[in-house]
Amino acid sequence: GNSVTQMEGPVTLSEEAFLTINCTYTATGYPSLFWYVQYPGEGLQLLLKATKADDKGSNKGFEATYRKETTSFHLEKGSVQVSDSAVYFCALSGGNQFYFGTGTSLTVIP
Amino acid sequence: DGGITQSPKYLFRKEGQNVTLSCEQNLNHDAMYWYRQDPGQGLRLIYYSQIVNDFQKGDIAEGYSVSREKKESFPLTVTSAQKNPTAFYLCASSLQGSLSYEQYFGPGTRLTVT
Repeated sequence: GNSVTQMEGPVTLSEEAFLTINCTYTATGYPSLFWYVQYPGEGLQLLLKATKADDKGSNKGFEATYRKETTSFHLEKGSVQVSDSAVYFCALSGGNQFYFGTGTSLTVIP
Repeated sequence: DGGITQSPKYLFRKEGQNVTLSCEQNLNHDAMYWYRQDPGQGLRLIYYSQIVNDFQKGDIAEGYSVSREKKESFPLTVTSAQKNPTAFYLCASSLQGSLSYEQYFGPGTRLTVT
């Protein structure tokens, strides 16, 4: 079946550090892949998405590339800010289902 | 502005009482969803509706009920049969009825039952 596995947290980084949050997936067919962000006490916001292999999603300095050969969709940002502190969820859609990872908490310290 | 609203943001109830959480969307989306989130946990699907007057159970439907009488509204009732109702509840919607479409979320309702 379909599933998403993402790197466990929490992750703590200093401001301006490089961020990588790993996400791998298992799926049949051709799923779409997403990253959502949840700020404290709020709902989830769609951060970026990719709908086919080799697509790169990007938004607010975050990027993720849909890698079919490694079944991965790792989230990266070159220089994190304190305001990026949040929980990040990797997600997959396909086969009339939507699957979320368990979330990775990121704290950025000044 | 189009979006999803959930009210109230915080809700307190005594054990044994039913409580209804509101979810409204003006995105003209066909499908709507309810998720439960516990501290440090991912999202678990409670119920979803792909079209008006129809809904299906998700992974943890026991102790919950829903209705979908209007396209824009999908209220969730947490009944007294739900053993651990204290949680953060998130409503979402997507453009079409397939669960494969990207989902848009409301701000959530934090329910505390004592």
